[in-house]
Amino acid sequence: SQKIEQNSEALNIQEGKTATLTCNYTNYSPAYLQWYRQDPGRGPVFLLLIRENEKEKRKERLKVTFDTTLKQSLFHITASQPADSATYLCALATGGNNRKLIWGLGTSLAVNP
Amino acid sequence: GAGVSQSPSNKVTEKGKDVELRCDPISGHTALYWYRQSLGQGLEFLIYFQGNSAPDKSGLPSDRFSAERTGGSVSTLTIQRTQQEDSAVYLCASSLSGGGSDTQYFGPGTRLTVL
Repeated sequence: SQKIEQNSEALNIQEGKTATLTCNYTNYSPAYLQWYRQDPGRGPVFLLLIRENEKEKRKERLKVTFDTTLKQSLFHITASQPADSATYLCALATGGNNRKLIWGLGTSLAVNP
Repeated sequence: GAGVSQSPSNKVTEKGKDVELRCDPISGHTALYWYRQSLGQGLEFLIYFQGNSAPDKSGLPSDRFSAERTGGSVSTLTIQRTQQEDSAVYLCASSLSGGGSDTQYFGPGTRLTVL
């Protein structure tokens, strides 16, 4: 069956370090992969999208990689700040007529001052 | 501009009662999604509307759940004869055209508690 896995354990890092979150998938060939941030009591907020033919995408302190051979995406936050503390969700879409996103459970990140 | 809004923000109901949850998408967005998120669980897809096409209801967990979208804008999710396992946060999202590369914009959610 199709499956998306994100780090199940919370990630705790020190301010200023780089946070790396993982999204692995199986039995799936996504055309797009999206990363969202969710704060407690709020809906997810879009961060970055990467396409299957892109290896890397950057936006300010954020970087996403997409390895379709390994079936994995890595999400990096450089120079992390306590304000980056949140849950980060990855979501996959096959494109075409399949318009539903398939969501991971998310990884909780805590950046300690 | 205004984002996606949902009402009520919190709803407490008794088992067996019906509830209606409302979503106002971003103006001009043709696609609208309903999700359910339980404690410690991921986003569970419920239903998807795209323009005038028939909605994708494949995620609705039982026939007690239904949704409609009037005039291509506001949507209402109805849960009949609520059960305790229906307790969750119900999230609505809209996107410009509903494609897999589209950004989904989420509302703040409605927290439903069934006693």
